[in-house]
Parts: sequence; C-alpha cells; structure tokens
Amino acid sequence: EVQLVESGGGLVQPGGSLRLSCAASGFTFSSYTMNWVRQAPGKGLEWVSYISSSGSTIYYADSVKGRFTISRDNAKNSLDLQMNSLRDEDTAVYYCARDKGVVSNYYYGMDVWGQGTTVTVS
Amino acid sequence: EIVLTQSPATLSLSPGERATLSCRASQSVSSYLAWYQQKPGQAPRLLIYDASYRATGIPARFSGSGSGTDFTLTIYSLEPEDFAVYYCQQRSNWPLTFGGGSKVEI
Repeated sequence: EVQLVESGGGLVQPGGSLRLSCAASGFTFSSYTMNWVRQAPGKGLEWVSYISSSGSTIYYADSVKGRFTISRDNAKNSLDLQMNSLRDEDTAVYYCARDKGVVSNYYYGMDVWGQGTTVTVS
Repeated sequence: EIVLTQSPATLSLSPGERATLSCRASQSVSSYLAWYQQKPGQAPRLLIYDASYRATGIPARFSGSGSGTDFTLTIYSLEPEDFAVYYCQQRSNWPLTFGGGSKVEI
C-alpha cells in the first residue's frame, strides 16, 4: 500500500524549533518530488516547501523562507522539515504530499497525502 | 505569485443536483492545475490533474475543464459523500499556490 506517515508535531513555544518527518512506503520514494503543505485551523491549504527527487532543487514559501529547511533521505524513504524560529502563525496541520510534477507537459498533481501532524505554537 | 480565486465560496445544493465550481488564475497557468477534495478531519484527495484528467479511482461524475486562467470543476449529480471543500492548485510558477476553497454543502 502506498503510504505517507507524518510524525514530530507537538506544542512548542514561539521562537522554538520542531522537526517533522514523513515516512514513505509502498512506492519508489526516490522517483518522486515531495511537498509540505499546511493548513491552519479553519483555514485553507498553504504550500510550504518542495524538494526534487534527488534533493538538488528546493523551494520555500516566503512565509517560511530562512526559518524552515526541507530535506530527504532516499535511502531511508524519509522526508523531513526542520522548523526554527516558530511563530504563532505557523500553527497548523502539516501534510507531506507526493508530487509527480510536470512530465511530458502534463501536471500530475499531489496524488498521495499523509494524514497530517499538528504543530501548535503557543 | 499566481493568485487563484475560487467561486463561489459556498454552494448549497441537494443530492442529485449539479455543482459547478470556478477557479480563476491571476495569470495563465496553462493546464498545470489540479483539483482536490477535502472532508473534515481528512487529508486532501486529488480529483483532477492537468486541468481535465481524473485521478485514479475518481468517479466519472467529476469533470474538470479549462486552460489558461479559467477553470471549472463540475460534479454531475451530487452524491452524499461529495459534500466537502474543493481546492484548486497551480504548478505553473513558484510558489505553488492553492485557491481559497469552495465548500459544497447540503
């Protein structure tokens, strides 16, 4: 079964740090780009960060640039998000999502999502 | 940043009716647009990729159309399980962006 399982969420004080992890199984993790997407309580979806399949290309939303770091370990089928200098507005459910990206001029979307892990900054 | 504007914010319909949701982009995203469904307490689920292709396992009553800046998600004959929030998302430019969502309620 294709699966993504996030972990590492919790309660942290403003200015603190947290490291989220996403464990992938059931597919060839190294073949896919990955994203972190978050959702504040009662709000819509917000893209946070992207990493290419090899890890060589990384993007961040302006709201987290300089504070968050995305990384992956293809040997361990894992994706991480290191979050530093956390703010109240970072409170959200954080999802990791598989993304096949644009292939042959088709965008395949984020087709597999984890169940999410909750980060509360207070 | 490409802004995606979804309308209406809320759509009140009955089972069996047709839902038509709109997503308008602030600049062209070509066909690099996806639609997602999200139910309370659940992760989003991919419905449509590349503007008009149904994802694996998505029923035929879901249909996506459009290109450039104007996109539509149509749900023909709503089933009880279709009442949810729907988001569009573009992959044309960085940062990736989502629309604000459209809630389809009974």
